Amino acid sequence: DIQMTQSPSSMSASLGDRVTITCQASQDIGNNLIWFQQKPGKSPRPMIYYATNLANGVPSRFSGSRSGSDYSLTISSLESEDMADYHCLQYKQYPYTFGAGTKLELK
Amino acid sequence: EVQLVESGGGLVQPGRSLKLSCLASGFTFSNYGMNWIRQAPGKGLEWVASISSSSSYIYYADTVKGRFTISRDNAKNTLYLQMTSLRSEDTALYYCARHVSFDYWGQGVMVTVSS
Repeated sequence: DIQMTQSPSSMSASLGDRVTITCQASQDIGNNLIWFQQKPGKSPRPMIYYATNLANGVPSRFSGSRSGSDYSLTISSLESEDMADYHCLQYKQYPYTFGAGTKLELK
Repeated sequence: EVQLVESGGGLVQPGRSLKLSCLASGFTFSNYGMNWIRQAPGKGLEWVASISSSSSYIYYADTVKGRFTISRDNAKNTLYLQMTSLRSEDTALYYCARHVSFDYWGQGVMVTVSS
């Protein structure tokens, strides 16, 4: 099975900060990765498709990138509405696997 | 408007069974594969099962293989998850989501396994 190692598990940041969350894949997944945002009591919302493509309606301060087996979600300038949990998902191979999640909080 | 609405959750004793449903609307259900994903209280997301549009391909997480069965009825626009031999570790909020983009999710249905 492909393991997705997500870091950090939690972080606090200030409004306007640049924030980066990373998932490392244990095997090649190509660009078959989705980043989700999940707010309390809500269903996950896809933010980035195919590792680097912004989903419809997602603010341009969000971006996704890849360097080898490392996949990153970056928020260029943190806003209060970005406080949430973030999850990565690989869908290259069954069983699909999620990262453990990152809780992003306001400092 | 695309909608996915789960139902069928509840409190069940260990070892018993439960069947979840996910009613789809706003898109051509028979054209899309579907997924079940779960989230234990305070935990991360766990993919549970996937089914192709015509039910030809089905996949399960090892944690549920042999106990859970995913199925669908395209005439009724409904996805199902039959859960048997339930364990306390199956306690979670269960979501259905459209494949492969996971672009639409239901609101989730809670399953609590406890004596």
